[in-house]
Amino acid sequence: QSALTQPPSASGSPGQSVTISCTGTSSDVGGSNYVSWYQQYPGKAPKLMIYEVRKRPSGVPDRFSGSKSGNTASLTVSGLQAEDEADYYCSSYAGSNQEVMFGGGTKVTVL
Amino acid sequence: EVQLSDSGGGLVQPGGSLRLSCAASGLTFSSYAMSWVRQAPGKGLEWVSVISISGSGTYYADSVKGRFTISRDNSKNTLYLQMNNLRAEDTGVYYCAKGLNYYSFDYWGQGTLVTVYS
Repeated sequence: QSALTQPPSASGSPGQSVTISCTGTSSDVGGSNYVSWYQQYPGKAPKLMIYEVRKRPSGVPDRFSGSKSGNTASLTVSGLQAEDEADYYCSSYAGSNQEVMFGGGTKVTVL
Repeated sequence: EVQLSDSGGGLVQPGGSLRLSCAASGLTFSSYAMSWVRQAPGKGLEWVSVISISGSGTYYADSVKGRFTISRDNSKNTLYLQMNNLRAEDTGVYYCAKGLNYYSFDYWGQGTLVTVYS
């Protein structure tokens, strides 16, 4: 199976909002409530930011929000801060063999 | 505090083997599914394998099926990944990850680098 589709880059000025899309199929994103988003700084391990489409783990700022419509999930970062500059990956249950599929990643730049 | 410490990576020739370990602390290890996720240099994340709480259920990405074996020792709070018949495309950082469920990972190890070279 192919990776989920994310835009390679996104950007915004401090205080603005940026939304990252994650497009799959009805076999993964569209048919699953197990969509997650991860933040990764260079050379560091990923950090879970959103799980089950829209839930935030403890400690994740409420500036981060998740949603889903059809086969596309989205991560919105509101009130952009310099520390939000990182790579973001979506993932989804892929419908068979307990497989998890990741997106190709989106580099967010704070202008 | 939950801590996962990956180890066992290194340099290996194609066809060779490595065994990765992930030592867990600060959690009831036997209560969570555990996974391995890898990242090739400059590339995105790729799910590799997951193991159930008891270890009786194991699942693999097609790219590693038949070559990699995931296991766990709940008495030692340790997760393993036995990697055989390694290929150049297996090169990357391997992370162990604690499952919030089977499909989301809320804690990650620091990663261990595997380099398959010829």
